[in-house]
Amino acid sequence: GAVVSQHPSRVICKSGTSVKIECRSLDFQATTMFWYRQFPKQSLMLMATSNEGSKATYEQGVEKDKFLINHASLTLSTLTVTSAHPEDSSFYICSARRRVGGRWNSNQPQHFGDGTRLSIL
Amino acid sequence: GESVGLHLPTLSVQEGDNSIINCAYSNSASDYFIWYKQESGKGPQFIIDIRSNMDKRQGQRVTVLLNKTVKHLSLQIAATQPGDSAVYFCAETLNSGGSNYKLTFGKGTLLTVNP
Repeated sequence: GAVVSQHPSRVICKSGTSVKIECRSLDFQATTMFWYRQFPKQSLMLMATSNEGSKATYEQGVEKDKFLINHASLTLSTLTVTSAHPEDSSFYICSARRRVGGRWNSNQPQHFGDGTRLSIL
Repeated sequence: GESVGLHLPTLSVQEGDNSIINCAYSNSASDYFIWYKQESGKGPQFIIDIRSNMDKRQGQRVTVLLNKTVKHLSLQIAATQPGDSAVYFCAETLNSGGSNYKLTFGKGTLLTVNP
């Protein structure tokens, strides 16, 4: 259980293109989804937190107009990199946190997709 | 801000040996900790977690130890196999509504298992 699917796995496109990345929780409902960015040989950097039906919360320094997040359902969140430029090239990873009721809601790990390698030429 | 760090960026072990990966955290308020394994080109994979009211938890071939006194977390892998080669991240979080359950990741340790 707790499978998160991320699509596409790799994108190569020209500068100025907008790219949409999908993140789906396949076998559970996700209370919250998270979007990360990871540079080579570095740790994961949280970009934004997305709750179903509400606006995403962006981390300091992350441009919300550049990285549009939509969390339309409990199983799907999308990240759109608008007007992408070479400096946006990176490995983008999403995660989902299982929706659990009651006292067990707090101790739920995030489950990650396999990432999207974005290369802007 | 506070962050989670690691003592060793790389660890090389022989197949069959036990591996110990260490992590130091600085936020004493953190109450939930997770270890992830990340293979090249993939997303992090959940290994094991531990709550702050515990000091040890065992899984299949893995054990996580938590020492809240010195704010130290470790991951022990028994009988390490070549398939265990990956980068291992510890992560911490504060389980309160205000934190929104955000994870803070450590820098990662690259584990290499030699056959």
